[in-house]
Amino acid sequence: DAGVTQSPTHLIKTRGQQVTLRCSPKSGHDTVSWYQQALGQGPQFIFQYYEEEERQRGNFPDRFSGHQFPNYSSELNVNALLLGDSALYLCASSLWWQNSGNTIYFGEGSWLTVV
Amino acid sequence: ILNVEQSPQSLHVQEGDSTNFTCSFPSSNFYALHWYRWETAKSPEALFVMTLNGDEKKKGRISATLNTKEGYSYLYIKGSQPEDSATYLCAFDTNAGKSTFGDGTTLTVKP
Repeated sequence: DAGVTQSPTHLIKTRGQQVTLRCSPKSGHDTVSWYQQALGQGPQFIFQYYEEEERQRGNFPDRFSGHQFPNYSSELNVNALLLGDSALYLCASSLWWQNSGNTIYFGEGSWLTVV
Repeated sequence: ILNVEQSPQSLHVQEGDSTNFTCSFPSSNFYALHWYRWETAKSPEALFVMTLNGDEKKKGRISATLNTKEGYSYLYIKGSQPEDSATYLCAFDTNAGKSTFGDGTTLTVKP
């Protein structure tokens, strides 16, 4: 039973560039959430996808966008990268019908460094 | 904006010591409280999810309690071992169904 997988694990981008991060949820899960974790802080909720639609969004600018595919996998896109976007990006999967109070399964994250 | 606070920020204990840390969260619109253990270079691992005031959960030497009326949860580790060294995160769910995380407590257990 494959857990949550993310790619790439590490990447370096230049300010102003765009980045795409990918996530495959745990087998059987249909909901994907993305979190940003800056150094020394807890994960911050970016947004959540279910049935290929953004269902909830945290306090992040429109430069952060996403997509969910029919196979439930998801992408996080960040445009016009800023130095402050350097962080660990975590993908989490769950079941929509158990949305609240449900155990969330995390991937190991994608480390993004913006220089 | 929801505020979830964890204390202490970090903790160093000797092997065999028992320890506990705190997660504080808003007492309104409570739906669930999660605890996760996050070891370096791994993904966060779910420990407990608690939904009812007064809930107590236990997994081996680790246990957690929940007080939704006053907005806090305690995580206890009995007889800490070096393999317990990790960052412990709590996350609070509102009815909206998204988790707001605290900044974590980093535990280091010295042999």
